[in-house]
Amino acid sequence: DADVTQTPRNRITKTGKRIMLECSQTKGHDRMYWYRQDPGLGLRLIYYSFDVKDINKGEISDGYSVSRQAQAKFSLSLESAIPNQTALYFCATSDLESYNEQFFGPGTRLTVL
Amino acid sequence: QKEVEQNSGPLSVPEGAIASLNCTYSDRGSQSFFWYRQYSGKSPELIMSIYSNGDKEDGRFTAQLNKASQYVSLLIRDSQPSDSATYLCASPSGGGADGLTFGKGTHLIIQP
Repeated sequence: DADVTQTPRNRITKTGKRIMLECSQTKGHDRMYWYRQDPGLGLRLIYYSFDVKDINKGEISDGYSVSRQAQAKFSLSLESAIPNQTALYFCATSDLESYNEQFFGPGTRLTVL
Repeated sequence: QKEVEQNSGPLSVPEGAIASLNCTYSDRGSQSFFWYRQYSGKSPELIMSIYSNGDKEDGRFTAQLNKASQYVSLLIRDSQPSDSATYLCASPSGGGADGLTFGKGTHLIIQP
């Protein structure tokens, strides 16, 4: 079984809809991250969390919110989706000591029409 | 804002040759660097990390860090078609465990 899973893997939605992307991990890592990847722009950090009580904004947090429901679960929400949020979204985890050695989930491809 | 720069490529290398991938960075205080490999349609996978000046070797891969010149490189010896992928250079975004700043990646093609 995969250590980091993301659901859904693909999602097509319409402008204005609320969307939640979910991430679960069995690695036992404390740190979890959400990135988005766009062609020509690379990976950019949206939010990150050190534990269930610690949530931090990344480079491009506007239009997104997150919830850390448990050590193993970290969700990303788009309250009102817009077309420029069309992207590939990755969840990643890392442990306490090697926190920059991150393990990525398989990604969610989101299309906002 | 930290920046990590890579040539997007594509970089085409014949099978069996050495592939050399380069990355430059703007923050002179950056201490560590990471190379991720991403196959088309897949997620990034960590292949090398380097924390100090000089070379670090792991199998066919060698990472090189030159802090004075602010560049990092990844050498792949005896390149194989399976090495064809996009290679992402990354550095910590801040002073702590607050995520990574990635370069846009270099697309490497190994020609059989």
